[in-house]
Amino acid sequence: GAVVSQHPSRVICKSGTSVKIECRSLDFQATTMFWYRQFPKKSLMLMATSNEGSKATYEQGVEKDKFLINHASLTLSTLTVTSAHPEDSSFYICSARRPLAGKTKNIQYFGAGTRLSVL
Amino acid sequence: GDSVTQMEGPVTLSEEAFLTINCTYTATGYPSLFWYVQYPGEGLQLLLKATKADDKGSNKGFEATYRKETTSFHLEKGSVQVSDSAVYFCALSDRRWGSNYKLTFGKGTLLTVNP
Repeated sequence: GAVVSQHPSRVICKSGTSVKIECRSLDFQATTMFWYRQFPKKSLMLMATSNEGSKATYEQGVEKDKFLINHASLTLSTLTVTSAHPEDSSFYICSARRPLAGKTKNIQYFGAGTRLSVL
Repeated sequence: GDSVTQMEGPVTLSEEAFLTINCTYTATGYPSLFWYVQYPGEGLQLLLKATKADDKGSNKGFEATYRKETTSFHLEKGSVQVSDSAVYFCALSDRRWGSNYKLTFGKGTLLTVNP
């Protein structure tokens, strides 16, 4: 199956610093990537949709200036948590959607997630 | 908006027991339906999918049938194993133009299978 790599898997940082998380599609070109946040014992909440070459579309309630998303190429999207605070501590997961093609269309492939802890 | 409701866990079963996790949905359009599985400390993996009414998705002994009349997509397995212990998410994908096929997830059901 398709592989999506997410890095780092775990990061601990001090309050006020910025953290960058990378999401790469390793064996296909992803025109669309998604960023989710997962709270303990809760479902995944979509934060934003990232399209290559254009600005990300953020879901209601997600601060654009706090969660910067860059989709610089067809295989890489990054999420930067700026001026992180303890309430930003969470599990962040990215996914990449394969272009519309046969049986793989409309399927999102997920990274393994990044556990962010802000002290 | 679209929404997915799945039975709340946790669900605890003995090995070889029958599993059912209920999932119902509401959607404006005609969505695709998915079950994803998340093992401890990992991201989500696609378990199975169905794209139209009466389609049955199946994988690793798990099955789910797209029931448009009852707006349901219940997950079943005839005989669970300890290795099936994980969190299971039901999800739908909006296929309308301009939606980017974004997923809406249920809250997840934790399954624990004891030997």
